[in-house]
Amino acid sequence: ETGVTQSPTHLIKTRGQQVTLRCSSQSGHNTVSWYQQALGQGPQFIFQYYREEENGRGNFPPRFSGLQFPNYSSELNVNALELDDSALYLCASSLGQVNTEAFFGQGTRLTVV
Amino acid sequence: SQKIEQNSEALNIQEGKTATLTCNYTNYSPAYLQWYRQDPGRGPVFLLLIRENEKEKRKERLKVTFDTTLKQSLFHITASQPADSATYLCALALSGGYNKLIFGAGTRLAVHP
Repeated sequence: ETGVTQSPTHLIKTRGQQVTLRCSSQSGHNTVSWYQQALGQGPQFIFQYYREEENGRGNFPPRFSGLQFPNYSSELNVNALELDDSALYLCASSLGQVNTEAFFGQGTRLTVV
Repeated sequence: SQKIEQNSEALNIQEGKTATLTCNYTNYSPAYLQWYRQDPGRGPVFLLLIRENEKEKRKERLKVTFDTTLKQSLFHITASQPADSATYLCALALSGGYNKLIFGAGTRLAVHP
């Protein structure tokens, strides 16, 4: 177990709705990243937060947004859900911004119908 | 275009043999490379990290090589066991201000008794 916990584990939403996913980082880790993993694919980087500021973003539209709180926990928000947003959403925490291994949570399986 | 490729077909080997997984990339200049293990429905688990100036890294039965000229990393599991059966992901990390990992699609390893 990595100490990174995500909630909920599974979620079903309707197209057009909004969703919030939550992540609790491993103790002492100040950096959190979010990834989207479609079935049969590797995780794709969405964005990273370091000390409550977004400091890196992948090729995802603005309807994907996030927050990091003073205790380094984090949220991923997705607005106007589309069917293609169905995926496993992974949160990863690390100590420091660069050059370190990432500790992943178990993920949230989002299904958009 | 930029690509990171892992063997898409599953690798089937007999218990006790050495498993060798390949990760090739094009048009990237990674600062370092990581290998992760992922079991079905779970988040990736960090295994090894190797930097661009390192040729080889070992940890127990695991060995990673990194050839920046060939743009290739090899991941070896010696004395493989059925418990090693999983999907193995290769991830590149580029130099820069944040910890973005670029993942391959993974190779599924099945170790048979």
